[in-house]
Amino acid sequence: KAGVTQTPRYLIKTRGQQVTLSCSPISGHRSVSWYQQTPGQGLQFLFEYFSETQRNKGNFPGRFSGRQFSNSRSEMNVSTLELGDSALYLCASSLDVGGPGANVLTFGAGSRLTVL
Amino acid sequence: AQSVTQLGSHVSVSEGALVLLRCNYSSSVPPYLFWYVQYPNQGLQLLLKYTSAATLVKGINGFEAEFKKSETSFHLTKPSAHMSDAAEYFCAVAHTGTASKLTFGTGTRLQVTL
Repeated sequence: KAGVTQTPRYLIKTRGQQVTLSCSPISGHRSVSWYQQTPGQGLQFLFEYFSETQRNKGNFPGRFSGRQFSNSRSEMNVSTLELGDSALYLCASSLDVGGPGANVLTFGAGSRLTVL
Repeated sequence: AQSVTQLGSHVSVSEGALVLLRCNYSSSVPPYLFWYVQYPNQGLQLLLKYTSAATLVKGINGFEAEFKKSETSFHLTKPSAHMSDAAEYFCAVAHTGTASKLTFGTGTRLQVTL
């Protein structure tokens, strides 16, 4: 079956602009999570959506937002881009059945954002 | 708060040699621990997970990890390294109650030489 699909794979923006990234989870997966990966901060949890509701949130400013649609597809948006937002943004999906021991995250290939 | 620490940001081994990547965890409750691998320009792929069913966990590509509560460790090993194992490896712990919020270690880049 198809994996987690993220679009676009690469994009370049300038400071002050906004960006929207898309994630299509594995069919049947109800939970979608987003992570930011940078050389300096490593992998950091942004937020998680389940049944169109944000269920968990990391320590990021309000410029970072997301949503989930009824088909479980998710988007994240970053407004007023800063140079420090340059990163690989990873989306992951899971079935979310049975608790942490039963669930695993399946990651997409990521969207690499460069802010100039 | 749960956290993991990976010792060694870079590890270099010869092809055929033992691979040992270190991970120590900090958790006030029994942890759910994971090892992920990331190849260049790709996302993360799950190698294995610890869920308290067994202390020795076998994963894909010949990797395994042993959970040692007394040492708060979950080191990743592979008896014989292959060139294709060159990648970055991340240890992670799941927050209580959810598998979706993982705290990752800083990663260890594995280099395999001839």
